[in-house]
Amino acid sequence: DAGVTQSPTHLIKTRGQQVTLRCSPKSGHDTVSWYQQALGQGPQFIFQYYEEEERQRGNFPDRFSGHQFPNYSSELNVNALLLGDSALYLCASSTGLVRNEQFFGPGTRLTVL
Amino acid sequence: DQQVKQNSPSLSVQEGRISILNCDYTNSMFDYFLWYKKYPAEGPTFLISISSIKDKNEDGRFTVFLNKSAKHLSLHIVPSQPGDSAVYFCAATGGGNKLTFGTGTQLKVEL
Repeated sequence: DAGVTQSPTHLIKTRGQQVTLRCSPKSGHDTVSWYQQALGQGPQFIFQYYEEEERQRGNFPDRFSGHQFPNYSSELNVNALLLGDSALYLCASSTGLVRNEQFFGPGTRLTVL
Repeated sequence: DQQVKQNSPSLSVQEGRISILNCDYTNSMFDYFLWYKKYPAEGPTFLISISSIKDKNEDGRFTVFLNKSAKHLSLHIVPSQPGDSAVYFCAATGGGNKLTFGTGTQLKVEL
């Protein structure tokens, strides 16, 4: 049983570019949350998708957007990249919107030059 | 505004001894608390959680204590093992499963 998978593992972009990160949830999970972890910080909640809709959002600008597909996989898109967007992006999956254990993927390391 | 704080960036303990990791929070709406462990190049792994209606929860070598009046929780690991060396994150939620994390504590268990 595969856990949460994310692609790519690493990514290098330049300022102003756009990036798409991908996440496949753990089998049986239908909710995907995205977090940004800057160096030396804890993960920060970006947003959460359930039933293909954004259900909750953290304090991130509209440059950060997402999508969830019918198979529950998800994408995180970031437009007009800034140097400060360099971070580890973590995807977590769970079931429903009620409080329960979230399983995290290994993350995508994004470097913006 | 850091709503979940882990004031010790690092902690070093001897194998077999107790490790105590601390966490403070400021948001009174938080009612469920979790500890995650993170190894390099891996995502955080859930360890143990506690609801605000309890003051203690145990799972094997791991015990979490919650002091609501002080808005403080701690994770005790007894006995500590070298494989416990990792970054430990405290997280909290006030509803649903949006997690607010602390900045983490690097635990090193020495032989």
